[in-house]
Amino acid sequence: QQQVKQSPQSLIVQKGGISIINCAYENTAFDYFPWYQQFPGKGPALLIAIRPDVSEKKEGRFTISFNKSAKQFSLHIMDSQPGDSATYFCAASMNAGNMLTFGGGTRLMVKP
Amino acid sequence: EPEVTQTPSHQVTQMGQEVILRCVPISNHLYFYWYRQILGQKVEFLVSFYNNEISEKSEIFDDQFSVERPDGSNFTLKIRSTKLEDSAMYFCASSERLEEYFGPGTRLTVT
Repeated sequence: QQQVKQSPQSLIVQKGGISIINCAYENTAFDYFPWYQQFPGKGPALLIAIRPDVSEKKEGRFTISFNKSAKQFSLHIMDSQPGDSATYFCAASMNAGNMLTFGGGTRLMVKP
Repeated sequence: EPEVTQTPSHQVTQMGQEVILRCVPISNHLYFYWYRQILGQKVEFLVSFYNNEISEKSEIFDDQFSVERPDGSNFTLKIRSTKLEDSAMYFCASSERLEEYFGPGTRLTVT
């Protein structure tokens, strides 16, 4: 019940295209859903996060869509750039101080 | 911009040896965490720490692991007797509330 399932495992997108990564969770007690970006050899960097009281959050080219009834959330990267090539992890937690449960990760490659 | 720092960046140790991984969390943060990531896999939670005590720990965090906040700035993870399967990247994170910020990690190699 603690799992967060992420898809796809890998994604290739042309420069300027839209990258879409999906996550699904089971535990309805989760109420905080961040996305992290990780470059090789680096720590995960917080990209954008959402709480379940809103269905969408946008920051620049990054948008989270959240569907509470389906227990799913997704990351959209608009106008994808080669510099966006990284591994993206969705995660979920219950409240402040609680562990993050991570999805399996999506390796994104944006081709020039 | 404040950031989480970790030392060393890479630690090589022999099986059975003790290692201590060090972290300096962001200064006004209240919650501290250790996670690990085996090469190519997802990030896994180890332990969280609040108000000078462990608040949550995973099944991975067995008796071989311990955490300590020896002073007002450092946060350490000790592995008493390392095993080959402890080889991984270890990340420290800290948060004021929900948003967890990760350090650059320590690559632990057990030979």
